[in-house]
Amino acid sequence: GDSVTQMEGPVTLSEEAFLTINCTYTATGYPSLFWYVQYPGEGLQLLLKATKADDKGSNKGFEATYRKETTSFHLEKGSVQVSDSAVYFCALIDNTDKLIFGTGTRLQVFP
Amino acid sequence: GAVVSQHPSRVICKSGTSVKIECRSLDFQATTMFWYRQFPKQSLMLMATSNEGSKATYEQGVEKDKFLINHASLTLSTLTVTSAHPEDSSFYICSARTGTGKYGYTFGSGTRLTVV
Repeated sequence: GDSVTQMEGPVTLSEEAFLTINCTYTATGYPSLFWYVQYPGEGLQLLLKATKADDKGSNKGFEATYRKETTSFHLEKGSVQVSDSAVYFCALIDNTDKLIFGTGTRLQVFP
Repeated sequence: GAVVSQHPSRVICKSGTSVKIECRSLDFQATTMFWYRQFPKQSLMLMATSNEGSKATYEQGVEKDKFLINHASLTLSTLTVTSAHPEDSSFYICSARTGTGKYGYTFGSGTRLTVV
Protein backbone atom coordinates (compact mmCIF):
# COMPACT_ATOMS: atom_id res chain seq x y z
CA GLY A 1 0.00 0.00 0.00
CA ASP A 2 0.87 3.65 -0.06
CA SER A 3 3.43 4.86 2.46
CA VAL A 4 5.41 7.88 3.57
CA THR A 5 8.96 7.84 4.89
CA GLN A 6 10.48 10.79 6.65
CA MET A 7 13.73 11.35 8.45
CA GLU A 8 13.99 10.49 12.10
CA GLY A 9 14.52 13.23 14.56
CA PRO A 10 15.06 15.08 16.57
CA VAL A 11 16.52 17.74 14.35
CA THR A 12 18.33 20.26 16.48
CA LEU A 13 19.21 23.66 15.04
CA SER A 14 20.26 27.08 16.16
CA GLU A 15 18.01 30.00 15.40
CA GLU A 16 18.36 31.32 11.83
CA ALA A 17 19.79 28.03 10.56
CA PHE A 18 18.56 26.40 7.36
CA LEU A 19 16.10 23.55 7.76
CA THR A 20 15.51 20.50 5.61
CA ILE A 21 13.29 17.61 6.64
CA ASN A 22 13.30 14.84 4.06
CA CYS A 23 10.14 13.06 2.99
CA THR A 24 9.68 10.41 0.32
CA TYR A 25 6.57 8.51 -0.62
CA THR A 26 5.39 5.36 -2.31
CA ALA A 27 2.02 5.49 -3.98
CA THR A 28 0.01 4.35 -6.92
CA GLY A 29 -0.88 7.25 -9.12
CA TYR A 30 -0.19 10.83 -8.12
CA PRO A 31 -1.37 11.57 -4.60
CA SER A 32 -1.74 14.97 -3.03
CA LEU A 33 1.04 15.65 -0.53
CA PHE A 34 0.97 17.52 2.77
CA TRP A 35 3.04 18.74 5.63
CA TYR A 36 1.33 18.97 8.99
CA VAL A 37 2.79 20.58 12.12
CA GLN A 38 2.01 19.79 15.73
CA TYR A 39 3.01 22.37 18.30
CA PRO A 40 3.30 21.23 21.94
CA GLY A 41 -0.10 20.49 23.43
CA GLU A 42 -1.99 21.15 20.21
CA GLY A 43 -3.53 19.17 17.38
CA LEU A 44 -2.01 18.70 13.95
CA GLN A 45 -2.36 21.73 11.68
CA LEU A 46 -2.01 21.76 7.93
CA LEU A 47 1.19 23.65 7.10
CA LEU A 48 1.25 23.35 3.33
CA LYS A 49 0.18 21.13 0.48
CA ALA A 50 0.84 20.32 -3.16
CA THR A 51 -1.58 18.53 -5.42
CA LYS A 52 0.44 17.76 -8.55
CA ALA A 53 3.96 17.32 -9.80
CA ASP A 54 6.22 20.39 -9.63
CA ASP A 55 3.74 22.23 -7.41
CA LYS A 56 5.38 24.16 -4.61
CA GLY A 57 3.50 24.53 -1.36
CA SER A 58 4.50 27.36 0.94
CA ASN A 59 3.39 28.87 4.22
CA LYS A 60 5.04 30.76 7.09
CA GLY A 61 8.41 30.68 5.32
CA PHE A 62 8.26 26.91 4.82
CA GLU A 63 8.35 25.41 1.33
CA ALA A 64 8.10 21.97 -0.21
CA THR A 65 8.11 20.98 -3.88
CA TYR A 66 6.33 17.92 -5.24
CA ARG A 67 9.04 15.98 -7.08
CA LYS A 68 7.54 13.16 -9.06
CA GLU A 69 10.86 11.92 -10.43
CA THR A 70 12.30 11.38 -6.96
CA THR A 71 8.93 10.78 -5.22
CA SER A 72 9.90 13.37 -2.65
CA PHE A 73 8.36 16.32 -0.83
CA HIS A 74 11.15 17.71 1.33
CA LEU A 75 10.30 20.52 3.74
CA GLU A 76 12.63 23.53 3.82
CA LYS A 77 12.91 26.83 5.60
CA GLY A 78 15.68 29.32 5.12
CA SER A 79 15.88 30.67 8.66
CA VAL A 80 14.22 28.85 11.53
CA GLN A 81 12.98 30.46 14.72
CA VAL A 82 12.56 29.10 18.22
CA SER A 83 8.81 29.24 17.65
CA ASP A 84 9.17 26.68 14.84
CA SER A 85 9.99 23.99 17.40
CA ALA A 86 7.34 21.32 16.85
CA VAL A 87 6.75 17.91 15.32
CA TYR A 88 6.37 17.88 11.53
CA PHE A 89 4.44 15.16 9.70
CA CYS A 90 4.60 14.45 6.00
CA ALA A 91 1.44 12.87 4.60
CA LEU A 92 -0.39 11.90 1.44
CA ILE A 93 -3.98 11.16 0.56
CA ASP A 94 -4.37 7.76 -1.01
CA ASN A 95 -6.83 6.73 -3.66
CA THR A 96 -9.45 5.92 -1.00
CA ASP A 97 -9.18 9.48 0.39
CA LYS A 98 -7.37 8.38 3.53
CA LEU A 99 -4.50 10.35 5.02
CA ILE A 100 -1.29 8.31 5.26
CA PHE A 101 1.30 9.80 7.62
CA GLY A 102 5.01 9.53 8.06
CA THR A 103 6.51 8.98 11.50
CA GLY A 104 6.90 12.64 12.31
CA THR A 105 10.12 14.58 12.85
CA ARG A 106 10.70 16.61 15.98
CA LEU A 107 12.42 19.94 15.36
CA GLN A 108 14.12 21.70 18.24
CA VAL A 109 15.40 25.22 17.66
CA PHE A 110 17.64 26.85 20.25
CA PRO A 111 18.35 30.56 20.58
CA GLY B 1 -11.61 28.34 12.42
CA ALA B 2 -12.78 24.81 13.02
CA VAL B 3 -11.72 23.36 16.36
CA VAL B 4 -11.70 19.76 17.52
CA SER B 5 -11.44 19.24 21.26
CA GLN B 6 -10.08 15.93 22.51
CA HIS B 7 -10.31 14.86 26.14
CA PRO B 8 -8.50 13.77 28.22
CA SER B 9 -5.04 14.77 27.10
CA ARG B 10 -3.42 12.19 29.37
CA VAL B 11 -4.82 9.22 31.21
CA ILE B 12 -3.31 6.45 33.28
CA CYS B 13 -5.40 3.39 33.99
CA LYS B 14 -4.99 -0.06 35.47
CA SER B 15 -4.92 -3.20 33.36
CA GLY B 16 -8.37 -4.64 32.84
CA THR B 17 -10.22 -1.36 33.11
CA SER B 18 -11.85 0.61 30.30
CA VAL B 19 -11.01 4.12 29.20
CA LYS B 20 -13.14 6.51 27.16
CA ILE B 21 -11.66 9.24 24.98
CA GLU B 22 -13.91 12.00 23.66
CA CYS B 23 -13.56 13.96 20.47
CA ARG B 24 -15.79 17.00 20.00
CA SER B 25 -16.20 19.39 17.11
CA LEU B 26 -16.76 22.74 18.81
CA ASP B 27 -18.00 25.03 16.08
CA PHE B 28 -19.03 22.78 13.24
CA GLN B 29 -20.86 19.55 12.61
CA ALA B 30 -18.72 16.55 11.82
CA THR B 31 -20.49 13.73 10.06
CA THR B 32 -17.20 11.87 9.73
CA MET B 33 -14.44 11.56 12.30
CA PHE B 34 -11.26 9.54 12.25
CA TRP B 35 -9.31 7.85 15.00
CA TYR B 36 -5.55 7.38 14.76
CA ARG B 37 -2.99 5.67 16.94
CA GLN B 38 0.71 6.40 17.11
CA PHE B 39 3.34 4.10 18.53
CA PRO B 40 6.71 5.57 19.51
CA LYS B 41 8.77 6.44 16.45
CA GLN B 42 6.05 5.17 14.13
CA SER B 43 3.47 6.74 11.87
CA LEU B 44 0.01 7.84 12.85
CA MET B 45 -2.02 4.80 11.89
CA LEU B 46 -5.67 5.12 10.99
CA MET B 47 -7.71 2.86 13.27
CA ALA B 48 -11.24 3.58 12.15
CA THR B 49 -13.58 5.96 10.42
CA SER B 50 -16.55 7.04 12.49
CA ASN B 51 -19.79 8.11 10.81
CA GLU B 52 -22.58 9.79 12.73
CA GLY B 53 -25.48 7.48 13.30
CA SER B 54 -23.89 4.37 11.87
CA LYS B 55 -21.27 1.79 12.73
CA ALA B 56 -17.64 2.70 12.49
CA THR B 57 -15.47 1.29 9.73
CA TYR B 58 -12.36 -0.32 11.17
CA GLU B 59 -9.05 -0.74 9.41
CA GLN B 60 -7.62 -4.17 8.93
CA GLY B 61 -6.04 -5.55 12.07
CA VAL B 62 -7.92 -3.28 14.50
CA GLU B 63 -10.00 -5.18 17.03
CA LYS B 64 -13.56 -3.88 16.99
CA ASP B 65 -14.39 -5.30 20.40
CA LYS B 66 -11.28 -3.81 21.94
CA PHE B 67 -11.70 -0.32 20.51
CA LEU B 68 -15.35 0.68 20.65
CA ILE B 69 -16.26 3.74 18.65
CA ASN B 70 -19.51 5.62 19.04
CA HIS B 71 -20.55 8.63 16.98
CA ALA B 72 -23.99 9.37 18.38
CA SER B 73 -24.19 13.04 17.46
CA LEU B 74 -22.81 15.42 14.85
CA THR B 75 -20.38 16.90 17.37
CA LEU B 76 -19.17 13.95 19.41
CA SER B 77 -17.32 10.74 18.73
CA THR B 78 -15.92 8.54 21.48
CA LEU B 79 -13.29 5.83 21.53
CA THR B 80 -13.45 3.35 24.39
CA VAL B 81 -10.48 1.10 25.01
CA THR B 82 -11.98 -1.91 26.73
CA SER B 83 -10.15 -4.24 29.11
CA ALA B 84 -6.99 -2.24 28.61
CA HIS B 85 -3.59 -3.88 28.64
CA PRO B 86 -0.12 -2.32 28.74
CA GLU B 87 0.28 -2.92 25.00
CA ASP B 88 -2.64 -0.55 24.45
CA SER B 89 -0.51 2.27 25.82
CA SER B 90 -0.14 4.72 22.99
CA PHE B 91 -0.98 8.15 21.64
CA TYR B 92 -4.51 8.38 20.22
CA ILE B 93 -5.64 11.28 18.08
CA CYS B 94 -8.92 12.10 16.38
CA SER B 95 -9.73 14.26 13.42
CA ALA B 96 -12.81 15.49 11.63
CA ARG B 97 -13.62 16.60 8.14
CA THR B 98 -14.41 20.27 8.18
CA GLY B 99 -15.80 20.58 4.70
CA THR B 100 -16.01 19.12 1.29
CA GLY B 101 -12.93 18.25 -0.67
CA LYS B 102 -9.82 16.36 0.22
CA TYR B 103 -7.98 18.83 2.40
CA GLY B 104 -10.36 19.88 5.15
CA TYR B 105 -9.18 17.91 8.19
CA THR B 106 -8.98 19.30 11.72
CA PHE B 107 -7.19 17.35 14.41
CA GLY B 108 -7.58 17.07 18.14
CA SER B 109 -4.57 17.49 20.39
CA GLY B 110 -4.34 13.79 21.17
CA THR B 111 -4.57 11.56 24.23
CA ARG B 112 -1.61 9.84 25.83
CA LEU B 113 -2.87 6.57 27.30
CA THR B 114 -0.71 4.66 29.76
CA VAL B 115 -1.92 1.31 31.04
CA VAL B 116 -0.16 0.06 34.16
